[in-house]
Amino acid sequence: EPEVTQTPSHQVTQMGQEVILRCVPISNHLYFYWYRQILGQKVEFLVSFYNNEISEKSEIFDDQFSVERPDGSNFTLKIRSTKLEDSAMYFCASSELGGTEAFFGQGTRLTVV
Amino acid sequence: RKEVEQDPGPFNVPEGATVAFNCTYSNSASQSFFWYRQDCRKEPKLLMSVYSSGNEDGRFTAQLNRASQYISLLIRDSKLSDSATYLCVVPGTGGGNKLTFGTGTQLKVEL
Repeated sequence: EPEVTQTPSHQVTQMGQEVILRCVPISNHLYFYWYRQILGQKVEFLVSFYNNEISEKSEIFDDQFSVERPDGSNFTLKIRSTKLEDSAMYFCASSELGGTEAFFGQGTRLTVV
Repeated sequence: RKEVEQDPGPFNVPEGATVAFNCTYSNSASQSFFWYRQDCRKEPKLLMSVYSSGNEDGRFTAQLNRASQYISLLIRDSKLSDSATYLCVVPGTGGGNKLTFGTGTQLKVEL
């Protein structure tokens, strides 16, 4: 069964450092997403990406965040200068069509110290 | 009304019980709805999709009431392995097709 894969599973970084979280969406999917979940809180939308551009972003997704699809398979989330409050589980997801079922990767746990 | 609202629980039920979770949503233009299951510190996994008035898959039944903007999930003959958090999810109607998650309802099935 096709799945979304994310690397690394856990990343520890110092405050102010840049991190790149990587994802390989399901191959025939057209929509890609990043979500985050702070421990004990709900899953929050960050950004959606379609046709090589951002289609929607939340208030959380400020200038410190960026996304890229550098090649035909990878989808990355970059946080330029991490803050303590960026510590969370980051989930990548993809869907075949917009507004349909999205399938999630196993997540990257980001810890900013 | 919040975008997606759920009773957080926890619901503690004995094995074999029937349990129902409710969810209300604010966007009357939403056409499809999803229930996801999330185990502790794991990713959300799709449980059921609801595109019309309801859907049934084995022990799980989802029902939609568009007039009341209300979705329910019924689990029959609950099993220990059903213990998880159940997330009500509503796609947005903007161009980005984001999913809006409820806070989740925690279910604990006990012997």
